[in-house]
Amino acid sequence: AQTVTQSQPEMSVQEAETVTLSCTYDTSESDYYLFWYKQPPSRQMILVIRQEAYKQQNATENRFSVNFQKAAKSFSLKISDSQLGDAAMYFCAYRSEPSNSGYALNFGKGTSLLVTP
Amino acid sequence: GAVVSQHPSWVICKSGTSVKIECRSLDFQATTMFWYRQFPKQSLMLMATSNEGSKATYEQGVEKDKFLINHASLTLSTLTVTSAHPEDSSFYICSANRDYTTEQYFGPGTRLTVT
Repeated sequence: AQTVTQSQPEMSVQEAETVTLSCTYDTSESDYYLFWYKQPPSRQMILVIRQEAYKQQNATENRFSVNFQKAAKSFSLKISDSQLGDAAMYFCAYRSEPSNSGYALNFGKGTSLLVTP
Repeated sequence: GAVVSQHPSWVICKSGTSVKIECRSLDFQATTMFWYRQFPKQSLMLMATSNEGSKATYEQGVEKDKFLINHASLTLSTLTVTSAHPEDSSFYICSANRDYTTEQYFGPGTRLTVT
């Protein structure tokens, strides 16, 4: 089974600054998907960004970007110009290519991001 | 588009009773639905995967006789917690896949409290 590791239980960033959240994973598969999800206090899971393993180009969504290092099995999330609304739990997740597993997500333990004014 | 709803959002039940949680895809047909459980300040743990018209696939350690999953249509899956006990108190989240290539769309979750 694939494991996802987020080594930072908590991170803090000042408003308007940049912060990077770490994620590593373990897999023997060559094709897969990686995701970052945000869970604010409402507990609604919100997709932040996704990356297909076969794509070399790092995904970007406005202020959010990833550093995908396939050989190192690393998938970090960079949040630029942090805003108070970015405060939340962030989960890194892995998903295999379609198979009998039903495309279930394996989540890391999460990183709690605090944004200070 | 791609909205998933859950009902109820919060339920309190007495120990020994059963409670049903509904998960609906409102504007798409879900090929697969998933049920997760989340304890406070912890990650999401997959409980089971369900496909419309077939039996759910449960993760190791999840009691299928306690957590009954019915995926009756392409837009509705239900999770029934039978003979609930206080240790079943948790936050239950469902999600749905629209097809083989898109991400999972998550419901808002259901907070279950067993007294």
